[in-house]
Amino acid sequence: EAQVTQNPRYLITVTGKKLTVTCSQNMNHEYMSWYRQDPGLGLRQIYYSMNVEVTDKGDVPEGYKVSRKEKRNFPLILESPSPNQTSLYFCASSLDGTSGANVLTFGAGSRLTVL
Amino acid sequence: GQNIDQPTEMTATEGAIVQINCTYQTSGFNGLFWYQQHAGEAPTFLSYNVLDGLEEKGRFSSFLSRSKGYSYLLLKELQMKDSASYLCAVSDSNYQLIWGAGTKLIIKP
Repeated sequence: EAQVTQNPRYLITVTGKKLTVTCSQNMNHEYMSWYRQDPGLGLRQIYYSMNVEVTDKGDVPEGYKVSRKEKRNFPLILESPSPNQTSLYFCASSLDGTSGANVLTFGAGSRLTVL
Repeated sequence: GQNIDQPTEMTATEGAIVQINCTYQTSGFNGLFWYQQHAGEAPTFLSYNVLDGLEEKGRFSSFLSRSKGYSYLLLKELQMKDSASYLCAVSDSNYQLIWGAGTKLIIKP
């Protein structure tokens, strides 16, 4: 089944404790992206990647890191999480990022709470 | 700046028709998307419009007017399972998506 898989789905952690949210897709998609979703604010892009070894900042990159060493994986790293990073996170992918008809497939979401 | 506006919440009755509007101001335009998102779940693709006019797909239709910076999603024969948030997003000049905050649609029996 074609899908985007992210883990963990739920996580409660404490301020400053490094964590990684993994994202993997099995559709050979070139484009991958991370979003956070907060009530009333909609989806905000954190980082995106047009292809292997190519990553770019989105609208809200502060406090996050990403890497794209393989086509299928795009982990999101929080080096020193803070309470304002408590949010619902979505990973998404699409065939490529160079056309308007760039239909995204989303992962199921990761709900992160930072105490 | 870039901006997408859509109503925060709408209520409709089962079996009726509802229209969810979206207006946008973006740097460039490479198409407009509608996604559906049930509470606690991932967004799923509904429609894509890049040319003016109406695109019909079963009970759902999407309309675009590029000159007015306006789109709407029309849902007919509403069912309880249509209770969800509907997200409008525009692909800008760099093919990056600009998202609206979403419209929460509540269906009453």
